[in-house]
Amino acid sequence: EAGVAQSPRYKIIEKRQSVAFWCNPISGHATLYWYQQILGQGPKLLIQFQNNGVVDDSQLPKDRFSAERLKGVDSTLKIQPAKLEDSAVYLCASSLGQPYNSPLHFGNGTRLTVT
Amino acid sequence: KQEVTQIPAALSVPEGENLVLNCSFTDSAIYNLQWFRQDPGKGLTSLLLIQSSQREQTSGRLNASLDKSSGRSTLYIAASQPGDSATYLCALPEGSSNTGKLIFGQGTTLQVKP
Repeated sequence: EAGVAQSPRYKIIEKRQSVAFWCNPISGHATLYWYQQILGQGPKLLIQFQNNGVVDDSQLPKDRFSAERLKGVDSTLKIQPAKLEDSAVYLCASSLGQPYNSPLHFGNGTRLTVT
Repeated sequence: KQEVTQIPAALSVPEGENLVLNCSFTDSAIYNLQWFRQDPGKGLTSLLLIQSSQREQTSGRLNASLDKSSGRSTLYIAASQPGDSATYLCALPEGSSNTGKLIFGQGTTLQVKP
C-alpha cells in the first residue's frame, strides 16, 4: 500500500512570509493528523481531522496556523505569517481508526526553516 | 497530564549486542503504547503497538513490553545490527482521550557500530 505523501520536502522562507504544506493520507484512512517536531523533541499534535471534521486543534496557534481537509482526503496546513520559532519538521500522519486501537502511519515530513 | 520520558537520550553499542530502550509514563490509565522508529530526515515508522490489556508484542528481533502499574515500557532489540541505528520514540494517547493527541517521549538515538 502507498504510504502517506507529503510535499514539499524542504522549504526555506523569511519570517513574516506565508507557507503551505500538503498531505495525502493512505487510502481509506479516515483520520488525519498534523504534527510539529522541533529538533531534538518528540512530535506535538497540531490538529486532528476525522474525515473532514476537526476533532482536536487545541494546540494549533490559530492566529497564524490554519488547516483544512476538503472532501475528507487531502489536507493542507498553512502558516501566515511565519515566525522564527516555526522552524521545525511538519509531519502528516493517518490512521484507519482511532489512536486507541490503530497505529499511526507517518509521512516523511516537510522541513521548514524560517530565517 | 501525561508525561513520557525516555532514558537514555543516546546509546552506542557494538554490533550483535542485545539492548533495551526504556520508556516511562506518569498516567497509567492508557489505551495503548506505540513504539516508533525515526531515521534522519524521515518520518516515523510504527514498530509495535501494545494494547493496555497486553503485556508484550513481538516483531522479528523486536520485543516490546508494557507494565502499566509501574508506568513503564521497554523495547528489546536482539542481536543489534548497524541498520538498527535510528531514533526510537515511544508514544501513547493522552489520558483517556480518543483523539490523536499522542504524547511522545523525546526519543533514544541508537548507534550500532559495525
